[in-house]
Amino acid sequence: ETGVTQTPRHLVMGMTNKKSLKCEQHLGHNAMYWYKQSAKKPLELMFVYNFKEQTENNSVPSRFSPECPNSSHLFLHLHTLQPEDSALYLCASSQVAMSSYNEQFFGPGTRLTVL
Amino acid sequence: QKEVEQNSGPLSVPEGAIASLNCTYSDRGSQSFFWYRQYSGKSPELIMSIYSNGDKEDGRFTAQLNKASQYVSLLIRDSQPSDSATYLCAVRGDYKLSFGAGTTVTVRA
Repeated sequence: ETGVTQTPRHLVMGMTNKKSLKCEQHLGHNAMYWYKQSAKKPLELMFVYNFKEQTENNSVPSRFSPECPNSSHLFLHLHTLQPEDSALYLCASSQVAMSSYNEQFFGPGTRLTVL
Repeated sequence: QKEVEQNSGPLSVPEGAIASLNCTYSDRGSQSFFWYRQYSGKSPELIMSIYSNGDKEDGRFTAQLNKASQYVSLLIRDSQPSDSATYLCAVRGDYKLSFGAGTTVTVRA
């Protein structure tokens, strides 16, 4: 595997389900990010982890719960979601989070549909 | 005021022409600027980064940065049908990358 991988690629869930999204980066980076991309809207940053520590929570509802067990893996735990949470969820990584010159590289995304 | 604004598009250009994409940003302290290409149904792919005023060329792509005017642009020369995609401008402020809504480019054969 190379780059940033995400599983599953597609997910359909009911509002009462609990599911998790997984992201893994093979780039040796130390920062990982979750973004939400809804139709016709800019990418929205959700969470930032730097060296496994959460450094930013961009006012995300508690029904989204991130987990970063190490610098290579990032999870997004989902529970009691709403239909408006349907979107493309993108994981990204960069060398470190605080440097202005870090380029971020994205995974393929998980297309989430909440029924 | 939006942090990052892009020309709304869609932008349709004939094959072989130059596509010009514009982006303005509100944070005067921003230091780094990126262009991502996103094909329909795919994730963003980094195609250019620029940190200093002036032009930066990479193949058929040229990024231009003017920090005084808070403006960054992307030129695609000799546009090809494979360039048809949405182009996202991203600007790095203090701690995070802010994205524009994107400009969709269609290159017609």
